[in-house]
Amino acid sequence: KAGVTQTPRYLIKTRGQQVTLSCSPISGHRSVSWYQQTPGQGLQFLFEYFSETQRNKGNFPGRFSGRQFSNSRSEMNVSTLELGDSALYLCASSLTTSGRGETQYFGPGTRLLVL
Amino acid sequence: AQSVAQPEDQVNVAEGNPLTVKCTYSVSGNPYLFWYVQYPNRGLQFLLKYITGDNLVKGSYGFEAEFNKSQTSFHLKKPSALVSDSALYFCAVRDMGTGTASKLTFGTGTRLQVTL
Repeated sequence: KAGVTQTPRYLIKTRGQQVTLSCSPISGHRSVSWYQQTPGQGLQFLFEYFSETQRNKGNFPGRFSGRQFSNSRSEMNVSTLELGDSALYLCASSLTTSGRGETQYFGPGTRLLVL
Repeated sequence: AQSVAQPEDQVNVAEGNPLTVKCTYSVSGNPYLFWYVQYPNRGLQFLLKYITGDNLVKGSYGFEAEFNKSQTSFHLKKPSALVSDSALYFCAVRDMGTGTASKLTFGTGTRLQVTL
């Protein structure tokens, strides 16, 4: 079974631009979560989608948004990019959203560099 | 809120020796704990998890973790380290928050360096 895929793998943008990242979950998985990884802040939760609905959101400004499609694929968008948005953005999928023991499987990430 | 702590930024061990990567947790209610590994320029790979049951959990690549409720710890172990185990290791706890939505809260990570 194919794993979580993320596109693009690398991205360079300039301040003020916007960016859209894509994530395709493992087949059959309906929950998609997004995390930001930086050297200073570590791994931080952005948001989670299940059945095209945002179920949970982390402490990020409104410039960060996402959506999920009927086939469970998800996109996240960052508008008005800032230098501090440079990070590895990780997508994770799981079967459902309600299981405490549910395992999240991560994609390879998209590395975003903002100049 | 749930949290985990990884007290060591780096652990150094010689190949063939046993390794331990430490993790302590703080939760209200029952803990749901996970270990992930990250190789350079890669995403996170799931190693193992504790939900309930046996305190010794076996996972991928020969890793295991020991859950200790009295010490609120979930240390990752391997009897014999390999150079290829060198990577960044993250402990995480399931944070149920409100409702049925959930997220993982991660520790700061421990870099494992295995040398010949």
